[in-house]
Amino acid sequence: DTGVSQDPRHKITKRGQNVTFRCDPISEHNRLYWYRQTLGQGPEFLTYFQNEAQLEKSRLLSDRFSAERPKGSFSTLEIQRTEQGDSAMYLCASSSLGDGAKNIQYFGAGTRLSVL
Amino acid sequence: GENVEQHPSTLSVQEGDSAVIKCTYSDSASNYFPWYKQELGKRPQLIIDIRSNVGEKKDQRIAVTLNKTAKHFSLHITETQPEDSAVYFCAANDYKLSFGAGTTVTVRA
Repeated sequence: DTGVSQDPRHKITKRGQNVTFRCDPISEHNRLYWYRQTLGQGPEFLTYFQNEAQLEKSRLLSDRFSAERPKGSFSTLEIQRTEQGDSAMYLCASSSLGDGAKNIQYFGAGTRLSVL
Repeated sequence: GENVEQHPSTLSVQEGDSAVIKCTYSDSASNYFPWYKQELGKRPQLIIDIRSNVGEKKDQRIAVTLNKTAKHFSLHITETQPEDSAVYFCAANDYKLSFGAGTTVTVRA
């Protein structure tokens, strides 16, 4: 599968613990996005990278959240001191912005986080 | 920021009938409007998109229309089939997609 891959698919943690998710975008896609999706809602934008630079962060991304894309390829999203309200599906998407590219976002299958 | 509203939240149609989902957006600067289909437990998949310089786009049984003046766009699915059953999301903007809340479409055989 050469699409966007996310790991793990499911994560169960206790309140107060730290968790880290990984996203591997489609090869050579220079843009990478993180979204959060709760039950019965559409995805909500969290942050995005162009290459290794984090260009924008939503106000939804509290200081307990941090995202990195150190080499412009895979990205990690870390949540510190998890709270029950963090329980959601975390989706990653990637796109290619360049000559002739339409910047279409392709999504991964997501990481479902359950905070007990 | 952009605010996208989507209606209806649920839609049940008889196989072979048409389905229409409508979305409105708030930011007149938005210029890209994709539609995603998400089956249970699977990733959102792009099914069709339209840019602001086009009023209508069609791909086989799926079509999207855009009215920039009224700031609304719609998805039309004709000759619905059971495999069309899924949650459909509209979205607006370009790099930072704002999604509607989704429409659960059920196609009755």
